[in-house]
Amino acid sequence: GAVVSQHPSRVICKSGTSVKIECRSLDFQATTMFWYRQFPKKSLMLMATSNEGSKATYEQGVEKDKFLINHASLTLSTLTVTSAHPEDSSFYICSARRRKTGEETQYFGPGTRLLVL
Amino acid sequence: AQSVTQLDSHVSVSEGTPVLLRCNYSSSYSPSLFWYVQHPNKGLQLLLKYTSAATLVKGINGFEAEFKKSETSFHLTKPSAHMSDAAEYYCVVSSSGTYKYIFGTGTRLKVLA
Repeated sequence: GAVVSQHPSRVICKSGTSVKIECRSLDFQATTMFWYRQFPKKSLMLMATSNEGSKATYEQGVEKDKFLINHASLTLSTLTVTSAHPEDSSFYICSARRRKTGEETQYFGPGTRLLVL
Repeated sequence: AQSVTQLDSHVSVSEGTPVLLRCNYSSSYSPSLFWYVQHPNKGLQLLLKYTSAATLVKGINGFEAEFKKSETSFHLTKPSAHMSDAAEYYCVVSSSGTYKYIFGTGTRLKVLA
């Protein structure tokens, strides 16, 4: 149990276009989903925390108008990179926390590789 | 404030020999600690977690970790390394109240044939 999927696994887009990445918890309800960005050979950087039915909370330095997060249901969160630029190219990983009091474990998706040309 | 320090950025071991990946933490509260493994271009897989129950935690794939409060350590071990263990390993502490993760900088494990 506790499987998280992401779609697409990789995407190539042109500069100026928008890209949507989906994160789904397949076999559990997720109270909270997290979005991370990972640069090559670096640790994960938390971008935002997404709670179902409420606005996402962004970390300092992350542009909320550029990285739009929607958490429409207990099993789905989406990250939209708007007006993408080459510097947005990265590995984006989501995680989900079970809807269970005190549960701290995050279950991670397989990641999405974004390349902006 | 909570923090995690992974003491080695790279560790190399021969196949069949023991693995030790070191992690020290700082926390004002009784922490929840995790070890995750990441293979290239993949997401993170949970190896094991400590949440104030038994101090010796057994995980998947033969890994285990011991929580030592006196040393503020949570080192990851495995008796015998396998080639498939070659990956990046992250020690993580969960921030009390926010459920955010605080990541260590990672340890790259290399397993030599």
